[in-house]
Amino acid sequence: KNEVEQSPQNLTAQEGEFITINCSYSVGISALHWLQQHPGGGIVSLFMLSSGKKKHGRLIATINIQEKHSSLHITASHPRDSAVYICAVRLVKTSGSRLTFGEGTQLTVNP
Amino acid sequence: EAQVTQNPRYLITVTGKKLTVTCSQNMNHEYMSWYRQDPGLGLRQIYYSMNVEVTDKGDVPEGYKVSRKEKRNFPLILESPSPNQTSLYFCASSPGVDSYNEQFFGPGTRLTVL
Repeated sequence: KNEVEQSPQNLTAQEGEFITINCSYSVGISALHWLQQHPGGGIVSLFMLSSGKKKHGRLIATINIQEKHSSLHITASHPRDSAVYICAVRLVKTSGSRLTFGEGTQLTVNP
Repeated sequence: EAQVTQNPRYLITVTGKKLTVTCSQNMNHEYMSWYRQDPGLGLRQIYYSMNVEVTDKGDVPEGYKVSRKEKRNFPLILESPSPNQTSLYFCASSPGVDSYNEQFFGPGTRLTVL
């Protein structure tokens, strides 16, 4: 079982819909990152969370440390949001600065 | 422009022929890392470096070497590439070594080993 699980694996939405992508982890973490991978392959960091909630434009990320769960929400989705969204965590049990990644959620937003 | 650059972007090579993928950042970041991305396995960390002359293994270091002689550069060396190292490789950097820093990714290097 992966230490970081994302759901769903694939998500198709219509333009304008509210989207939620989930990330669950099984052990203690010190931080959680949400990344976006464009269709061309490039990766961009969206958020880094250690508690609470962050918002940037139409994107909102939340984390619940007690439940070991984070969500990424996209409001008023647009076709340009189509990408793979990746959750990554810094596990407390690992030394140094290692990140452990989920397998990603492929989001397709249709016009 | 603040960025992480990788070269080459695409490479096709043959088994056993030594190669180096370069990574350079112009943000004076302390932390640098190499990842590989494979279908069904996601991103996995190969090696990371917390500062000049300080490197450590990630989750999948076998078959790879790295060096950090200067702060800005972190090359990935495959001494004897094998087909199972065919993958998409990303270099990343971060201002600090703790958990609370954003990571900046390079554009990726698609490597095929025949």
